[in-house]
Amino acid sequence: GDSVTQMEGPVTLSEEAFLTINCTYTATGYPSLFWYVQYPGEGLQLLLKATKADDKGSNKGFEATYRKETTSFHLEKGSVQVSDSAVYFCALRRGQGAQKLVFGQGTRLTINP
Amino acid sequence: DTGVSQNPRHKITKRGQNVTFRCDPISEHNRLYWYRQTLGQGPEFLTYFQNEAQLEKSRLLSDRFSAERPKGSFSTLEIQRTEQGDSAMYLCASSLENRGNTEAFFGQGTRLTVV
Repeated sequence: GDSVTQMEGPVTLSEEAFLTINCTYTATGYPSLFWYVQYPGEGLQLLLKATKADDKGSNKGFEATYRKETTSFHLEKGSVQVSDSAVYFCALRRGQGAQKLVFGQGTRLTINP
Repeated sequence: DTGVSQNPRHKITKRGQNVTFRCDPISEHNRLYWYRQTLGQGPEFLTYFQNEAQLEKSRLLSDRFSAERPKGSFSTLEIQRTEQGDSAMYLCASSLENRGNTEAFFGQGTRLTVV
C-alpha cells in the first residue's frame, strides 16, 4: 500500500542554519505530495505541495521538489528562524480521484536562538 | 473564525463509556474527513464524507466507531465502549472539491484520553 517515510526526529538547529527534512514515498501511479506543519497548540496547516514530477512547491522560504526518479520530496529552507519550530509532516494523495492523505510519522523541529 | 471547528478540545472518559465528538467544517465545503493521530505518529485516515454520503471507511474504523454527517454540514464521530487503545487525537478536515484541485483544512483536534 501507499506509504510515506520521513527522517526521524527530533531535529534541533540554531537560528539561520540550513534545514533539510527527508521524505520518501511509495505509491502506485502519480501521487500529489504535500508538506503540512503543526505549530504548538494549532491544527495542521498546508505548507506547500507539488502535483507532478519536477514541480517545486514553495512557501514561507521553504521549498520541496517532487523527484519521481528517487520517489522523494525533501523539505528545505536556507535560513531557519525560531518561529519555524513545529512538527512537519510529509504526505501524499494518490491521484485526483483519491481522497485520503497518507502521512509520514512527522519530524519535530526545534530552532534555538 | 471560519476555520474547521472541533468540540470538545479534550475529553477524558472511563473505559467502556461512549463518547461523541463534533466537527463543524468550513462553510460550503462539501468534503469532510476524520483522521486519528497517536503520539509520535502522523494522522491516519478513518473516513470521509461527500456531502452527507459516507464514501470510504478505513479498516481502522472498527464497528465501535460510527460517523455521521446528517445534513451535509457538521459531522459527529461516536466511539462506543471505549478502550484504552482509543486514546488519541481525533482530527477533522474539510475541503471543497473543485476539478481535483483540493486543499484539506484541518481543525485543532479533539484529544481523547481513556482511563
